[in-house]
Amino acid sequence: DTEVTQTPKHLVMGMTNKKSLKCEQHMGHRAMYWYKQKAKKPPELMFVYSYEKLSINESVPSRFSPECPNSSLLNLHLHALQPEDSALYLCASSQDGGTSSGANVLTFGAGSRLTVL
Amino acid sequence: AQTVTQSQPEMSVQEAETVTLSCTYDTSESDYYLFWYKQPPSRQMILVIRQEAYKQQNATENRFSVNFQKAAKSFSLKISDSQLGDAAMYFCAYRSAEPWEYGNKLVFGAGTILRVKS
Repeated sequence: DTEVTQTPKHLVMGMTNKKSLKCEQHMGHRAMYWYKQKAKKPPELMFVYSYEKLSINESVPSRFSPECPNSSLLNLHLHALQPEDSALYLCASSQDGGTSSGANVLTFGAGSRLTVL
Repeated sequence: AQTVTQSQPEMSVQEAETVTLSCTYDTSESDYYLFWYKQPPSRQMILVIRQEAYKQQNATENRFSVNFQKAAKSFSLKISDSQLGDAAMYFCAYRSAEPWEYGNKLVFGAGTILRVKS
């Protein structure tokens, strides 16, 4: 299995809702990432988990809450979002977060398109 | 901080012809990695090609090749025999050879939209 699977593909939520995005990989990768991408813009890093521990938080508002229950699964919990949070949310994984050659190859999922009303 | 610049917001190429996408970067480091990622309308970011800075030989992957000029800090992507499926947004990206724990991350350029005409 060489894929990163993200669910749901599309999500519409109100500003008072609580929802979650899910990301799964079975490549044995030990680093996982959340990116936010606006239309026709490059992805922006949000969080990095390395060996199931949060290693980077790019000053993301607390209404976004990441969780890494195990080495294969990464969640992004959403609560009280704003319309400007509407974007494509990409998950990615890599072999690890170290300095190996494999650490530098990110495999991306197809993303979850989030619309906040 | 490192920066990556893609000066071509959009490019067009005729099917079967060759196109070159430009990328320049700024860094004070000597050891790093450079990437080209492709993002078609299906949204998934796909790694096209990777170059390690300590390797002088330009990377090649089938119809895709790079022209890596370390002194000039330039990393262009050449697509030969362009196909309709090559139409996508292309992102150039840089990553330091330091591990994540040192705050290292993948730095993307603004992207170039490539259109392929039949």
